[in-house]
Amino acid sequence: GENVEQHPSTLSVQEGDSAVIKCTYSDSASNYFPWYKQELGKRPQLIIDIRSNVGEKKDQRIAVTLNKTAKHFSLHITETQPEDSAVYFCAASPYTDKLIFGTGTRLQVFP
Amino acid sequence: EAEVAQSPRYKITEKSQAVAFWCDPISGHATLYWYRQILGQGPELLVQFQDESVVDDSQLPKDRFSAERLKGVDSTLKIQPAELGDSAMYLCASSLGTDGYTFGSGTRLTVV
Repeated sequence: GENVEQHPSTLSVQEGDSAVIKCTYSDSASNYFPWYKQELGKRPQLIIDIRSNVGEKKDQRIAVTLNKTAKHFSLHITETQPEDSAVYFCAASPYTDKLIFGTGTRLQVFP
Repeated sequence: EAEVAQSPRYKITEKSQAVAFWCDPISGHATLYWYRQILGQGPELLVQFQDESVVDDSQLPKDRFSAERLKGVDSTLKIQPAELGDSAMYLCASSLGTDGYTFGSGTRLTVV
């Protein structure tokens, strides 16, 4: 079955710097790759997603890139702000629309 | 904005007791999912429904967990008997395929 690996597990950056989180997946049939932000005690919130027919997608300070050949995708956050501090999860959808999640990255943005 | 409703928000139960969680998906969403999220980990799919039918329950511990969605709308997840290792956040989500994938606020279960 699908397996998603996520790195790093923790990431600390200075406010204004960029942050990059990387994920790899194993099932070449996966065709949908969302990223979720989860604050302590709250539900995962979708922040950006990408489908396998697209290589890159951007939404203001957030971008996601997908390399289908290498089976990896990345989240890029530019001009980080303290409110970006949270746990970020990547996920892949191999079939039947279920999501297989990565292990999460705790991002801390220091003022 | 439409939301996935879950109740209760918090539940404390003693081990060996029965516990049940309820989920009401976004209206019109045919697909409903129950995920379990252990503290510090990513959500793990327990069961997926398409309307009233189970599509995937391969990760559901069927000796103690059961799930139903009798009329293809709301759903109930039950654990009987609860064990200490079941302490986690139980998240319900609904979608139209992979579109509109939305999580509820979850039920945080503590088994003592």
